[in-house]
Amino acid sequence: KAGVTQTPRYLIKTRGQQVTLSCSPISGHRSVSWYQQTPGQGLQFLFEYFSETQRNKGNFPGRFSGRQFSNSRSEMNVSTLELGDSALYLCASSTVGKTLRQETQYFGPGTRLLVL
Amino acid sequence: DAKTTQPTSMDCAEGRAANLPCNHSTISGNEYVYWYRQIHSQGPQYIIHGLKNNETNEMASLIITEDRKSSTLILPHATLRDTAVYYCIAYSGGGADGLTFGKGTHLIIQP
Repeated sequence: KAGVTQTPRYLIKTRGQQVTLSCSPISGHRSVSWYQQTPGQGLQFLFEYFSETQRNKGNFPGRFSGRQFSNSRSEMNVSTLELGDSALYLCASSTVGKTLRQETQYFGPGTRLLVL
Repeated sequence: DAKTTQPTSMDCAEGRAANLPCNHSTISGNEYVYWYRQIHSQGPQYIIHGLKNNETNEMASLIITEDRKSSTLILPHATLRDTAVYYCIAYSGGGADGLTFGKGTHLIIQP
């Protein structure tokens, strides 16, 4: 089975621009989570989507948004980029059990975003 | 999810077993112990997880103490490619926090 794929792998933007990142989950996985990883803050949870609905959200400003499509693919968007948004953005997919609990999350390779 | 404590760094000789400890003394009954690793600038890689019983897969073994307050990840025959940061997480699945990685253990395999 193919793993989680993310595009693009690298991106350079300038302050004030917006960016859209894409994630294709493992086939059959319906839950997609997004994370931001920086050396200073470590791994931080952005949001989780399941069945095209945002189910959980971390503590990030409204500039960070996402969506999920009917084929479970997901995108995240960051508007009005700031220098502090420079980070590795990770997507993880998982199956969801009978109790709607997320099962093991498998990560993609990440998108490295640099904001100048 | 419960907090976990791991040593900051460890060395292991190539070909030997690497034993990585993790403390999770406040783990609750519905939390699983998960292990991931991350090689510099790559996405975290899932290794293994367990609830109560010891687990083994093609990558590693996970030993969980009977009281579930600690666990050990064992890489049976470490290679240079196992050099990475290893994260131990107590996780019940879902919720507003997602997966929370601490500082992890930087495992360095020496030739």
